[in-house]
Amino acid sequence: DAGVIQSPRHEVTEMGQEVTLRCKPISGHNSLFWYRQTMMRGLELLIYFNNNVPIDDSGMPEDRFSAKMPNASFSTLKIQPSEPRDSAVYFCASSTFGMPQHFGDGTRLSIL
Amino acid sequence: KQEVTQIPAALSVPEGENLVLNCSFTDSAIYNLQWFRQDPGKGLTSLLLIQSSQREQTSGRLNASLDKSSGRSTLYIAASQPGDSATYLCAVEGYGGATNKLIFGTGTLLAVQP
Repeated sequence: DAGVIQSPRHEVTEMGQEVTLRCKPISGHNSLFWYRQTMMRGLELLIYFNNNVPIDDSGMPEDRFSAKMPNASFSTLKIQPSEPRDSAVYFCASSTFGMPQHFGDGTRLSIL
Repeated sequence: KQEVTQIPAALSVPEGENLVLNCSFTDSAIYNLQWFRQDPGKGLTSLLLIQSSQREQTSGRLNASLDKSSGRSTLYIAASQPGDSATYLCAVEGYGGATNKLIFGTGTLLAVQP
């Protein structure tokens, strides 16, 4: 079991640049979640998908954020344009109904 | 709006002690409550999941209890070890439109001294 795989592990970029974070969920899991973790706000759910369909994106902070899940084995979270306040650790998690979520190791994003 | 609070924010204990971590939530209409562990630079690992109809769950040296009516959960760690050092987070999942949406507490940073 390879677990949830996120890439890159670290990303440093300048303000205004486009950032794309990637996630490969565990095979067979039908739910995928994107979270953001900061010291100030803790762990927050941004968006989640069921069977590749976005169900709830109420946690997405602004229109600069978008997420896609083109198939059951891949999802992206994009920030365009990026701002320093977007600096955080972004986690992807996957699960099947009624079972605990499995988290990836996260992407540590720094916007200069 | 559901709010989850964890006390204490940090805890340091000598190896071998039994300890209790606390979690409280404001809305008792929950589907389940979960405890996670987070190691530095890593994601979260699920420890225990308690369904709303259950009172407790046990896994090895860990025991989690749930009192929905009072909006509280505790995580009991027996005979603590240095390897238990990590941040522990609790999270609640709601019903209906809140299904699958975990609301996390801010965590308790635990240090077990050898």
